[in-house]
Amino acid sequence: EADIYQTPRYLVIGTGKKITLECSQTMGHDKMYWYQQDPGMELHLIHYSYGVNSTEKGDLSSESTVSRIRTEHFPLTLESARPSHTSQYLCASSGGEGLTEAFFGQGTRLTVV
Amino acid sequence: KNQVEQSPQSLIILEGKNCTLQCNYTVSPFSNLRWYKQDTGRGPVSLTIMTFSENTKSNGRYTATLDADTKQSSLHITASQLSDSASYICVVSDRGSTLGRLYFGRGTQLTVWP
Repeated sequence: EADIYQTPRYLVIGTGKKITLECSQTMGHDKMYWYQQDPGMELHLIHYSYGVNSTEKGDLSSESTVSRIRTEHFPLTLESARPSHTSQYLCASSGGEGLTEAFFGQGTRLTVV
Repeated sequence: KNQVEQSPQSLIILEGKNCTLQCNYTVSPFSNLRWYKQDTGRGPVSLTIMTFSENTKSNGRYTATLDADTKQSSLHITASQLSDSASYICVVSDRGSTLGRLYFGRGTQLTVWP
């Protein structure tokens, strides 16, 4: 079983609130990713990181921000949540070069009311 | 444009039966292809991963095939069980960047009935 954890699993918050979704991995992986997934749809990359102090935006535009101060942590922050942010957010990590496995967290189901 | 297309979108089979899921991709340059199983409300879990030189790979009752020439892959599930009910996602990685970008299909939603 992969050692990558997301908290919280479920979150219901009001519009305008600031939230941070946590993602931690204990595998020492350099690469970490955040994906957004709506029901029945594919995963869309919104942020990724090659390592500490490295963050890049993904394919899908997102109003969220990320930070990578430590290798094991890759939190995602929404400064002012809106109903359009309602979705499932999945964190993943991979290590090494070439054919490496990508491990996913259990996801955070966010609902903004 | 790099894309991954899966079919069928959904599938219902009876317990004990076999089924085959399809994946077509246009990702280039191709690095590897992965099949993931995603239970409802959970993160994807890897089933198989194949490079262009591999034609088939098995993981228990799951067997994946890859034809890099036609850019097609299939996932065959034998003797299905109720616990196989999930979304099966085809993921293709390119080798055009150090990130090894992952391109996701929308998945096939498999339901196994008793």
